[in-house]
Amino acid sequence: DAGVIQSPRHEVTEMGQEVTLRCKPISGHNSLFWYRQTMMRGLELLIYFNNNVPIDDSGMPEDRFSAKMPNASFSTLKIQPSEPRDSAVYFCASRHSGSSTDTQYFGPGTRLTVL
Amino acid sequence: GNSVTQMEGPVTLSEEAFLTINCTYTATGYPSLFWYVQYPGEGLQLLLKATKADDKGSNKGFEATYRKETTSFHLEKGSVQVSDSAVYFCALRTKTSYDKVIFGPGTSLSVIP
Repeated sequence: DAGVIQSPRHEVTEMGQEVTLRCKPISGHNSLFWYRQTMMRGLELLIYFNNNVPIDDSGMPEDRFSAKMPNASFSTLKIQPSEPRDSAVYFCASRHSGSSTDTQYFGPGTRLTVL
Repeated sequence: GNSVTQMEGPVTLSEEAFLTINCTYTATGYPSLFWYVQYPGEGLQLLLKATKADDKGSNKGFEATYRKETTSFHLEKGSVQVSDSAVYFCALRTKTSYDKVIFGPGTSLSVIP
């Protein structure tokens, strides 16, 4: 299995620019999660989808953040405009909701640096 | 609300030492409990889990017992190796929270030869 695939692995951008992070979940998984990890705040759940529908976006910091899941095999997290405080590692994870296991499978993360 | 508390790190141990990382939780009902591990530069991986009181999860020499009376799920390993150096996250999922997993802040472990 390829696992959860994220791209890019590293992104360096300037303040004010638009940033798009991409995620391909494991085939057959119907729940997808976006997390942000920083030293100060630890691991934060931003949003999650079930069957491509956003279920809980209460963790999205503000209107500059948006996430979409147009189909079962692709999701994006967009930041527009980006700010230095958005610098973090962003993880995507997927799970087969309704299975007997509770495991979320994490991607390798995208390290975002906003200058 | 639901939450997870872990012992603060970093924890530094010599190879073959005994490891304990404390974890306590607050939750409504009877949550499922997990330990995830994050190796440098990687995403989190499930290490072990327990879904009901008195269950013991185990994997790769690590184990943790679900203690309902003390609302704890402490991680232990009898003899750590350098390759165990990582960040360990305790987490819970309640039956009413749908897919939402709540993670603790993580505990960094460094094992020195």
